[in-house]
Amino acid sequence: DTGVSQDPRHKITKRGQNVTFRCDPISEHNRLYWYRQTLGQGPEFLTYFQNEAQLEKSRLLSDRFSAERPKGSFSTLEIQRTEQGDSAMYLCASSFPSGGASYEQYFGPGTRLTVT
Amino acid sequence: GEDVEQSLFLSVREGDSSVINCTYTDSSSTYLYWYKQEPGAGLQLLTYIFSNMDMKQDQRLTVLLNKKDKHLSLRIADTQTGDSAIYFCAVMYSSASKIIFGSGTRLSIRP
Repeated sequence: DTGVSQDPRHKITKRGQNVTFRCDPISEHNRLYWYRQTLGQGPEFLTYFQNEAQLEKSRLLSDRFSAERPKGSFSTLEIQRTEQGDSAMYLCASSFPSGGASYEQYFGPGTRLTVT
Repeated sequence: GEDVEQSLFLSVREGDSSVINCTYTDSSSTYLYWYKQEPGAGLQLLTYIFSNMDMKQDQRLTVLLNKKDKHLSLRIADTQTGDSAIYFCAVMYSSASKIIFGSGTRLSIRP
């Protein structure tokens, strides 16, 4: 078990460009979460999947953001027409439901996005 | 609403105990967590407590929950330099699987 992995670890892009991040969860975990963390703050929830179904989206997830998990394994998070305010660390977490509740979320190392 | 508050900084002497405090607003919490984040590293799940428990001990870590006051604390015994990090308090509510995080407490250790 290698834990949650994310790629790339760092991304620098110019304002207006599109970017895509990938998350590979722990293999037996069927829930996958995306969070965003800005400097000096705790992570903020963006969205989560159970298998391939996207079950909840935060109002932070504007229409420029889209997330997919097509086969219920890895997930991608795409940001279109990036803005400087999108600069943040994007964190992925995964969990496995136990007794009907997913209570242990394990985080990946994150993708740090810088929009210039 | 859902809000989690922590103090921003804590400085302790090496070998002393550290106590990091957290308050939250919504009483419908189910699980409450402490995560650790070191520079350049991801979030590490340290420990968690179910909302029907008052205390949980795990080696040097002791978690205390006062549900009446909506107060959670993390005590680290015999604090070492390797404990320097940002500690996040986080809460899962019964209606959702998302976790609400506080802003983190930066723990620094002085010799």
